[in-house]
Amino acid sequence: RKEVEQDPGPFNVPEGATVAFNCTYSNSASQSFFWYRQDCRKEPKLLMSVYSSGNEDGRFTAQLNRASQYISLLIRDSKLSDSATYLCVVTFLMNRDDKIIFGKGTRLHILP
Amino acid sequence: EAGVAQSPRYKIIEKRQSVAFWCNPISGHATLYWYQQILGQGPKLLIQFQNNGVVDDSQLPKDRFSAERLKGVDSTLKIQPAKLEDSAVYLCASSLVGTVPSYEQYFGPGTRLTVT
Repeated sequence: RKEVEQDPGPFNVPEGATVAFNCTYSNSASQSFFWYRQDCRKEPKLLMSVYSSGNEDGRFTAQLNRASQYISLLIRDSKLSDSATYLCVVTFLMNRDDKIIFGKGTRLHILP
Repeated sequence: EAGVAQSPRYKIIEKRQSVAFWCNPISGHATLYWYQQILGQGPKLLIQFQNNGVVDDSQLPKDRFSAERLKGVDSTLKIQPAKLEDSAVYLCASSLVGTVPSYEQYFGPGTRLTVT
């Protein structure tokens, strides 16, 4: 099983719809979780951290399910500008060093 | 606030040639990362510095890749000799605090390397 797995998509979603995607991780000792957004031919930018209690930022909601080892990202009322690749990031401790693993990303296309 | 600077933005070389990339992180950021992003994949961490010390270089192909951050500020990543499979975007990122990656990483625009 890969350390971090994401459905590559693309998810083609009409504007205004709600879309959700998950990211699974294999290391049960994973510590920190993030969603980054990457626009085409641009650098990744932090979208939001994912806390154990879940967190919400406007139209975006991130949740962590430690029992099933996945995190999720929900986008409500999707906008054309939400079209991007969403990268899941997981960190875990290995030999006293923090390992940072990026998923391959999920491509999202919002359709007008 | 100035962002992470990288140069060059694009580089085309032939296989077996050498190439070097430069990164200047955001002022005051102690941690600097180099990532390799192959088309269609997520970024893969090559090396992480904390000031001028190496925290993690477990995925750096040390037979051909090297990196340094001598004064704890800017950094260079070198490939010698390059292979076709090194074609990728090389991203530099920095963050404010230490070895615990709980803080936001700021990425530079990347260097797009093509090896022919």
